[in-house]
Amino acid sequence: AQSVAQPEDQVNVAEGNPLTVKCTYSVSGNPYLFWYVQYPNRGLQFLLKYITGDNLVKGSYGFEAEFNKSQTSFHLKKPSALVSDSALYFCAVRGGDSNYQLIWGAGTKLIIKP
Amino acid sequence: DVKVTQSSRYLVKRTGEKVFLECVQDMDHENMFWYRQDPGLGLRLIYFSYDVKMKEKGDIPEGYSVSREKKERFSLILESASTNQTSMYLCASSLGSGRTTDTQYFGPGTRLTVL
Repeated sequence: AQSVAQPEDQVNVAEGNPLTVKCTYSVSGNPYLFWYVQYPNRGLQFLLKYITGDNLVKGSYGFEAEFNKSQTSFHLKKPSALVSDSALYFCAVRGGDSNYQLIWGAGTKLIIKP
Repeated sequence: DVKVTQSSRYLVKRTGEKVFLECVQDMDHENMFWYRQDPGLGLRLIYFSYDVKMKEKGDIPEGYSVSREKKERFSLILESASTNQTSMYLCASSLGSGRTTDTQYFGPGTRLTVL
């Protein structure tokens, strides 16, 4: 069965420090991987996606993610966290042989402290 | 920019009422989706539509139906609302045309409370 795991319910980081939000997946075929962010009382906003090519993907707001096929991971990173990065982050995956449906992680709450 | 709008941000209904949630997108997208979001469960797909009048069940279709009479509009219907349908409902759209790598764009969400 296809699945996505975000192993941390919450991540706390001091402002200015690097941040990592973890995501691992299990799909058949080549994975298509996505990160979205949700600010309080808002819908989800697209951050970045991996389809093929370079394993390091750059996205919005200075975020990037690294695709690691051997570890089946797609961790979200940012070199220097801002208080405004505090939000709920979702990882999602679609298997290469699936239809339009995305499989979603449970979400990770990121808290950046001043 | 893609714009997905939802008819209400907050909605309070009583048990047994019929509830309509409306979603409109302005980018001529073929695919539209309805999700519900609950804490700790992520997003769960209720229904999606890949064309006008076409629909497919997602993971949790029970108690819901959908309607897509026009390309830009996708409605979610709760036939007889129950308290366990209290949730955040998110609508999304994507370009379509058979592309499975499309980004989904989301509306602001409707927080539904069923009393």
